[in-house]
Amino acid sequence: GQNIDQPTEMTATEGAIVQINCTYQTSGFNGLFWYQQHAGEAPTFLSYNVLDGLEEKGRFSSFLSRSKGYSYLLLKELQMKDSASYLCAVKHTDKLIFGTGTRLQVFP
Amino acid sequence: EAGVVQSPRYKIIEKKQPVAFWCNPISGHNTLYWYLQNLGQGPELLIRYENEEAVDDSQLPKDRFSAERLKGVDSTLKIQPAELGDSAVYLCASSLRSSGGAADTQYFGPGTRLTVL
Repeated sequence: GQNIDQPTEMTATEGAIVQINCTYQTSGFNGLFWYQQHAGEAPTFLSYNVLDGLEEKGRFSSFLSRSKGYSYLLLKELQMKDSASYLCAVKHTDKLIFGTGTRLQVFP
Repeated sequence: EAGVVQSPRYKIIEKKQPVAFWCNPISGHNTLYWYLQNLGQGPELLIRYENEEAVDDSQLPKDRFSAERLKGVDSTLKIQPAELGDSAVYLCASSLRSSGGAADTQYFGPGTRLTVL
């Protein structure tokens, strides 16, 4: 089966750095995606990792270790608008399996 | 470029009534997905289409749910009859393809929030 774990909630301060972890157990790994979802809105694509290492995209970076079944999303210079849920999703063969999401609250 | 379009955005019905949701994917995207998302949970796949063919409907409750994508573009998802437990957000997503790589990236519509009373 597939299992994806991420923390339920996190809090951070504006301007700080936060790391959201995701661990997974799945066979047929075919890539890992991070999505951002504001309350009442659609998930929006943030990043895609299929090889080990760090992918940087502006204030957001995503890391993958396939041998450890581990990924993290790093958000730098936090802004109030970054308050949202962050969904880790693993591509299992041809199906995308989502975690339950991490709700991040950014405080001034 | 227009994103994934869904309608309606909100729907309130009484149990045992039918309901239908419509989705128009991003132009050129061959793969279309319908997901269900409960509050505080990640999206769960209901059905995936490659063009007009349903290639994965293993999670679709076929006793009451049906879907179609007749011309390989727009799609509708129907529930008949609706039950209280069907209250959720129904998301539609599309991707260029689904066979691996960055082209698998799924882009989501705003969803339809269904409330069954």
